[in-house]
Amino acid sequence: DVKVTQSSRYLVKRTGEKVFLECVQDMDHENMFWYRQDPGLGLRLIYFSYDVKMKEKGDIPEGYSVSREKKERFSLILESASTNQTSMYLCASSILKGQGTEAFFGQGTRLTVV
Amino acid sequence: AQTVTQSQPEMSVQEAETVTLSCTYDTSENNYYLFWYKQPPSRQMILVIRQEAYKQQNATENRFSVNFQKAAKSFSLKISDSQLGDTAMYFCAFMNAGKSTFGDGTTLTVKP
Repeated sequence: DVKVTQSSRYLVKRTGEKVFLECVQDMDHENMFWYRQDPGLGLRLIYFSYDVKMKEKGDIPEGYSVSREKKERFSLILESASTNQTSMYLCASSILKGQGTEAFFGQGTRLTVV
Repeated sequence: AQTVTQSQPEMSVQEAETVTLSCTYDTSENNYYLFWYKQPPSRQMILVIRQEAYKQQNATENRFSVNFQKAAKSFSLKISDSQLGDTAMYFCAFMNAGKSTFGDGTTLTVKP
């Protein structure tokens, strides 16, 4: 089974802190994604990556950056956390081959910025 | 840009009954894929069912089936013989060029 693991289930950070959310997948997937999930807004794509060292902006990249130094790991970085970044963050991965491959999700990281 | 609309924020159904969740989407693409994902309370999101836009036949997976109307850009999910374990948030998703757009989700509660 594909496993997508996010490093933390819950995080509490202070305003202005630099925050790292880590995601690791074990199935050699090319594609990796970071979403945030907010009530009534569904999942919104922050950043995605099709390959090592490649990244593309999603729909809401402002205030975030990402790093993909190894194929299995995709990190989301909040350079200076703000209260409006309090949210559930979901990491996902999928195979590049074809378009119709499903996304496999991590368990989510609930981030609270105080 | 693609948009996905789920018009029912919340729904409930009695155990063993049938329920249909609605999803519409907007795209100018001709080749794409559609998905329904399930997110149980405090658990990971998992795939329920997938539909290729070029296939006319509606996808089915055990108790789950879709009604795919390409011209109307509609993709509803039917759950038959609902079970308590079906209680979850359900997301409709549109995928093109490897990237997915999700709807806002429908929270389904199955009542005993």
